[in-house]
Amino acid sequence: GAGVSQSPRYKVAKRGQDVALRCDPISGHVSLFWYQQALGQGPEFLTYFQNEAQLDKSGLPSDRFFAERPEGSVSTLKIQRTQQEDSAVYLCASSYYDGLAGTDTQYFGPGTRLTVL
Amino acid sequence: AQSVTQLGSHVSVSEGALVLLRCNYSSSVPPYLFWYVQYPNQGLQLLLKYTTGATLVKGINGFEAEFKKSETSFHLTKPSAHMSDAAEYFCAVSESGGFKTIFGAGTRLFVKA
Repeated sequence: GAGVSQSPRYKVAKRGQDVALRCDPISGHVSLFWYQQALGQGPEFLTYFQNEAQLDKSGLPSDRFFAERPEGSVSTLKIQRTQQEDSAVYLCASSYYDGLAGTDTQYFGPGTRLTVL
Repeated sequence: AQSVTQLGSHVSVSEGALVLLRCNYSSSVPPYLFWYVQYPNQGLQLLLKYTTGATLVKGINGFEAEFKKSETSFHLTKPSAHMSDAAEYFCAVSESGGFKTIFGAGTRLFVKA
């Protein structure tokens, strides 16, 4: 089936604007993750959902960042009053639990590249 | 707290040569270890993972990695590099049974003809 999709792929915002980034996970995947990847760095964990429940949001850098997954499928990451330091690629991943391996396998989307001017 | 260190932000090899990408981790509990590859403008793709059992793990595209607990390492190797292997590679760790994954800073692999 289709992989994880994200939209838009590219977003340019003026400082102070609000942005919303969308993630469509693989159908049936219970878990959904958001990561922030700064230029030249590895992805950094932002938040995690299991179905519609946000179980961990410890990686969100400030209260300007908000994520939701109201029906346990599509998720939106919202950034209010964007700042230049928010410029990064935002990656979404969804996963299923591999009972044999005893761990989740995460499948990543292509990311949304956010540039804040 | 968990952490991952990838030695060498850039590695250059000739086509046909051995690929060795180094990864050391820190974890207070038995770790799950992963290698991902990222091609330009694409998401991360899982190459291989170690959870339990055999310490030598084989992945896609001819890559393999060996979990060495005594050295806290999980180095990625491939016997013969191909031009299509040129990409960014990320090592990652998560707690066994956990969901939070910590990534290294990445190693960019260049393959020379």
